[in-house]
Amino acid sequence: KAGVTQTPRYLIKTRGQQVTLSCSPISGHRSVSWYQQTPGQGLQFLFEYFSETQRNKGNFPGRFSGRQFSNSRSEMNVSTLELGDSALYLCATKDSPNNEQFFGPGTRLTVL
Amino acid sequence: ELKVEQNPLFLSMQEGKNYTIYCNYSTTSDRLYWYRQDPGKSLESLFVLLSNGAVKQEGRLMASLDTKARLSTLHITAAVHDLSATYFCAVEWGSGTYKYIFGTGTRLKVLA
Repeated sequence: KAGVTQTPRYLIKTRGQQVTLSCSPISGHRSVSWYQQTPGQGLQFLFEYFSETQRNKGNFPGRFSGRQFSNSRSEMNVSTLELGDSALYLCATKDSPNNEQFFGPGTRLTVL
Repeated sequence: ELKVEQNPLFLSMQEGKNYTIYCNYSTTSDRLYWYRQDPGKSLESLFVLLSNGAVKQEGRLMASLDTKARLSTLHITAAVHDLSATYFCAVEWGSGTYKYIFGTGTRLKVLA
């Protein structure tokens, strides 16, 4: 069974731009969660999608948004990028609410 | 909101020695996860602890959960260099819908 895939793996943007990251879950997994990892703040939960609906949300500004498609693939969008948005963005998927989640390889975003 | 604290933050130990990493959390939860992260890589699931008193072992690592004390431990026995990584605990928390709150991570370096 293929694992969680994320694209792109690396991204360089400049301040003010916007970016879209993609996550394809393990087959059969309908829940997709997104996390931001930085040296200063650690791993922080962004949001979770399940069956195309946002089910949970962390404490991030509205510049961070996401969506999930009918095939469970998810995208995360960050608008008006700031230097502080430079981070490793990880998605994690699971097949049901009570099961553990599996992480993708991450997208390394650098904002210049 | 739930807070998860790990200690120590950094751990340098000699090969062959034993040590324990602690994960304390502030609010009731019955689900706790341990992950390993190598530099520049994603998170690898190590243990899933789903009830009070749960104990899991894999190789030189053993994890336990005490939900009454809101404490989980990750014990390392006879450390080897390959165990060098950052270890995270994550607590599943919420009401109705759940999210993972991660600890700060413990950076482990095993010296030959």
